[in-house]
Amino acid sequence: DTEVTQTPKHLVMGMTNKKSLKCEQHMGHRAMYWYKQKAKKPPELMFVYSYEKLSINESVPSRFSPECPNSSLLNLHLHALQPEDSALYLCASSQDPSRETQYFGPGTRLLVL
Amino acid sequence: DAKTTQPNSMESNEEEPVHLPCNHSTISGTDYIHWYRQLPSQGPEYVIHGLTSNVNNRMASLAIAEDRKSSTLILHRATLRDAAVYYCILRESNSGYALNFGKGTSLLVTP
Repeated sequence: DTEVTQTPKHLVMGMTNKKSLKCEQHMGHRAMYWYKQKAKKPPELMFVYSYEKLSINESVPSRFSPECPNSSLLNLHLHALQPEDSALYLCASSQDPSRETQYFGPGTRLLVL
Repeated sequence: DAKTTQPNSMESNEEEPVHLPCNHSTISGTDYIHWYRQLPSQGPEYVIHGLTSNVNNRMASLAIAEDRKSSTLILHRATLRDAAVYYCILRESNSGYALNFGKGTSLLVTP
């Protein structure tokens, strides 16, 4: 099983809402990632979790709050987002941070009104 | 990670081979060359990677120039399902962490 699942597939939220994105993998991977992808642009790294600890935060605004409750799950909590935060949010995992291959989920398409 | 340069777009006929080029003139000795692709409305997926020697797998072949300043991803027989954005990424073997995606090449496959 090389699948990374993400829920929900689509999300529409207002600027005052609080919502969460969820990512799950059952490959035993110990590194998990959040990427953000704007339309017609390549994915950009947001956060890296290594062995359930946050190891990289690419200067992401505090309105995005990641959480790794266990080795299989990765959440991204959203609060007070701006319309420019509308994008495709991609989750990925790899066996560990030094392993070459990352496996991506299908993403959550977020629209902030 | 060192920078890569790819054409913005390429077009191919179905069932013909496709050669997707990537220039990486500042590659260092420890950089691996990775290729990922992103089909429409999907997340990126791993295609192939290599260091110095040419590599083959069930999806594609990777041809690496002798000086390693360029490489070519080869799809032996393009299908409509191969229409995607193809990203060439350099990654130091032990650096781990993020994939630094460039702009990639958008491949159009026509019947």
